[in-house]
Amino acid sequence: DQQVKQNSPSLSVQEGRISILNCDYTNSMFDYFLWYKKYPAEGPTFLISISSIKDKNEDGRFTVFLNKSAKHLSLHIVPSQPGDSAVYFCAARTDSWGKLQFGAGTQVVVTP
Amino acid sequence: EAGVAQSPRYKIIEKRQSVAFWCNPISGHATLYWYQQILGQGPKLLIQFQNNGVVDDSQLPKDRFSAERLKGVDSTLKIQPAKLEDSAVYLCASRPSGSGGSGNTIYFGEGSWLTVV
Repeated sequence: DQQVKQNSPSLSVQEGRISILNCDYTNSMFDYFLWYKKYPAEGPTFLISISSIKDKNEDGRFTVFLNKSAKHLSLHIVPSQPGDSAVYFCAARTDSWGKLQFGAGTQVVVTP
Repeated sequence: EAGVAQSPRYKIIEKRQSVAFWCNPISGHATLYWYQQILGQGPKLLIQFQNNGVVDDSQLPKDRFSAERLKGVDSTLKIQPAKLEDSAVYLCASRPSGSGGSGNTIYFGEGSWLTVV
């Protein structure tokens, strides 16, 4: 069963504007959430993460928000840049062994 | 620091043939993962090693897939015989020790792209 869901397969945003990527999950045992970015023909690279005890984490242009009651997290990219065009995966961890479950990804295209 | 190394990058085989992928994790990383990513989907865990022991292989199709990490460093994933639906990117990843900080992050290799025809 798909415990991590990214319901928007694609997102187009203008350069300089905000990109908002959404992720929903069903397993209340998830204790750590991560966002990965993937360029074509490359492996996913870690972007930003958040522990379940927090509701916000910020790193430069990237901010992740966690709403545990709604089982929802989002990634905000401000301002969006052409180099941000990639597939973004939401992932969640259920245990200390670090096994991650991934969403299907959202393709972001930033237009000039 | 060198990243996760994988080879070969690309492989095309006919169905029912066999293929093997190799992975060398980041130095010192005790945990190693093999993920399968089918086009349009997120990565799915196939197997997880802690040193040379298997932690989780519940989603590994054991009738055709096998993996080993004999010395607790590099690892090999084998598919025999391959099916058309095995066409995917096979991602190796590793994680540092510890439960906090960087220990929460998994680092991926560039992947091995398999096409079964």
